[in-house]
Amino acid sequence: KQEVTQIPAALSVPEGENLVLNCSFTDSAIYNLQWFRQDPGKGLTSLLLIQSSQREQTSGRLNASLDKSSGRSTLYIAASQPGDSATYLCAVVDTGNQFYFGTGTSLTVIP
Amino acid sequence: GAGVSQSPRYKVAKRGQDVALRCDPISGHVSLFWYQQALGQGPEFLTYFQNEAQLDKSGLPSDRFFAERPEGSVSTLKIQRTQQEDSAVYLCASSLGPSRATNEKLFFGSGTQLSVL
Repeated sequence: KQEVTQIPAALSVPEGENLVLNCSFTDSAIYNLQWFRQDPGKGLTSLLLIQSSQREQTSGRLNASLDKSSGRSTLYIAASQPGDSATYLCAVVDTGNQFYFGTGTSLTVIP
Repeated sequence: GAGVSQSPRYKVAKRGQDVALRCDPISGHVSLFWYQQALGQGPEFLTYFQNEAQLDKSGLPSDRFFAERPEGSVSTLKIQRTQQEDSAVYLCASSLGPSRATNEKLFFGSGTQLSVL
């Protein structure tokens, strides 16, 4: 079974800093990897989707990379803002069509 | 609708009570998923529908859990004889495409927080 790990579990940074969130997975046979944002008491919002054949995806201040062979993905957030405070989850879809989520990184951006 | 809608937002049940959780996916979305999210954990897969067909129910934790989507739109997750370990947030998600292994994004509802006393 695929296992997805996210480090760190929690992160607190001052406003304006660039930061990196990490996601690792145990089985490199994935179909795609997605990064989600979850606000307290809310559902998940899809941020970026990287297909297995891609190396990275960018959306505004967010950049996600994928190194399938090493089982790693990073989410880079540039010039962080207090509104970025949330829990960030990564999920991999394996070739068996199953979604596996990490436990998330709780981000706090301090004004 | 504009997004995935779930109701009720909160549900408190006494142990042994039956509950029904509703999901209205985005109009026209073929795929519908139910997930269970325990406190401090990532979502865990429960079941998947393609239109009205339940193609995968391998994540349902016991035969007390039952899901349906009779007309291929609204879905209901039913839990019979609730137990304390059923307490969690139940998330519904939908996507446009017919396949689970899709490169389309998943759209999630806000979830139903179930507390079993």
